[in-house]
Amino acid sequence: AQKITQTQPGMFVQEKEAVTLDCTYDTSDQSYGLFWYKQPSSGEMIFLIYQGSYDEQNATEGRYSLNFQKARKSANLVISASQLGDSAMYFCAMRGTGGFKTIFGAGTRLFVKA
Amino acid sequence: GAGVSQSPSNKVTEKGKDVELRCDPISGHTALYWYRQSLGQGLEFLIYFQGNSAPDKSGLPSDRFSAERTGGSVSTLTIQRTQQEDSAVYLCASSLDWGGYNEQFFGPGTRLTVL
Repeated sequence: AQKITQTQPGMFVQEKEAVTLDCTYDTSDQSYGLFWYKQPSSGEMIFLIYQGSYDEQNATEGRYSLNFQKARKSANLVISASQLGDSAMYFCAMRGTGGFKTIFGAGTRLFVKA
Repeated sequence: GAGVSQSPSNKVTEKGKDVELRCDPISGHTALYWYRQSLGQGLEFLIYFQGNSAPDKSGLPSDRFSAERTGGSVSTLTIQRTQQEDSAVYLCASSLDWGGYNEQFFGPGTRLTVL
């Protein structure tokens, strides 16, 4: 069965510093996609970044990068130069090839301190 | 362009009543998902529609839950005989499903409260 694990229920980071949010996954699929979403207090889900299992390069989108270590089955999100507006819940998610069902982790709440 | 819309934004109902939640996906998106998010929790997959294919209902928690998608566009999630544990935010998402990369665009959600 597929599973996403986010072990950090809450994280604090100082403004302008970098922070890494952990995500490990478990799947028997050979091909899969990994996603990170941000959910501010307003409740909307905002797509941040995507990594395909066969992508050799780590994905980057502006201040967001995904540290993909396939052998360790980890897909950590790195946010550089944190901003106060980055304070939110962050969800790691995975979709396999067996269908289009997407599994989400429990989330990590990030607090950015001024 | 317009994003995913959901209605109502809030719904308060009494235990035992039926409720219908509506989702309007982004025009042209063939895939539509329903998720449930309980307070402080992650998203729980409920059901997935893709074009005219049979939906993936594997996430529906009980037979009180059902969903349909008419004309490949608007979807309705129905919960019959609501229970207090059904209280949650119900999120709808749509995407262009052409395999591989599959960014889902989420609606604002419907907050359901069962008294």
